[in-house]
Amino acid sequence: AQSVAQPEDQVNVAEGNPLTVKCTYSVSGNPYLFWYVQYPNRGLQFLLKYITGDNLVKGSYGFEAEFNKSQTSFHLKKPSALVSDSALYFCAVRDIDSWGKLQFGAGTQVVVTP
Amino acid sequence: DAGITQSPRHKVTETGTPVTLRCHQTENHRYMYWYRQDPGHGLRLIHYSYGVKDTDKGEVSDGYSVSRSKTEDFLLTLESATSSQTSVYFCASAQGMNTEAFFGQGTRLTVV
Repeated sequence: AQSVAQPEDQVNVAEGNPLTVKCTYSVSGNPYLFWYVQYPNRGLQFLLKYITGDNLVKGSYGFEAEFNKSQTSFHLKKPSALVSDSALYFCAVRDIDSWGKLQFGAGTQVVVTP
Repeated sequence: DAGITQSPRHKVTETGTPVTLRCHQTENHRYMYWYRQDPGHGLRLIHYSYGVKDTDKGEVSDGYSVSRSKTEDFLLTLESATSSQTSVYFCASAQGMNTEAFFGQGTRLTVV
């Protein structure tokens, strides 16, 4: 069975400060990991993914994420947050041994204040 | 962006009636998904498909069925709609296991 957890319902950060959104996962095989962002009344937009290779992956809009196999984590980071980064962020996992099943976390609301 | 469209975009239906939502993609993607989004629950997987006529259940499949007779279409049916199925439904598609999924704009379903 596979699952993904986002332990924080909301993250508050001041503009210009570093932003971290946490994600942990559980799979029986090896994971494919993804981050998405959702703005109000919109669909989900892809930010970045980890498939294999370098544990630090870079994505859109200055976001990056670090894959940590021993801690089964894939935290999303941005060195300097912008007010426009305020949105709902989702982590997702696909087990390499699954039939393509893609499972999402509950989401983390990010609020960036000026 | 991948060409993925959902129809209808909005629907109000009565309790006990059947409802079918359609997802159409033009990218020849192998994998397709149906999710529902509710406050506090994030995106929950209802059903997914890994090929034509190949489907499997997600975490909240009770009361829902799906069909995929063509690569491009993935239908979600609520056999007998209930108020607990009031939600926003998202469809997504992906080309391969190691590729990202692309999402439709969502269908807002209200069951009264």
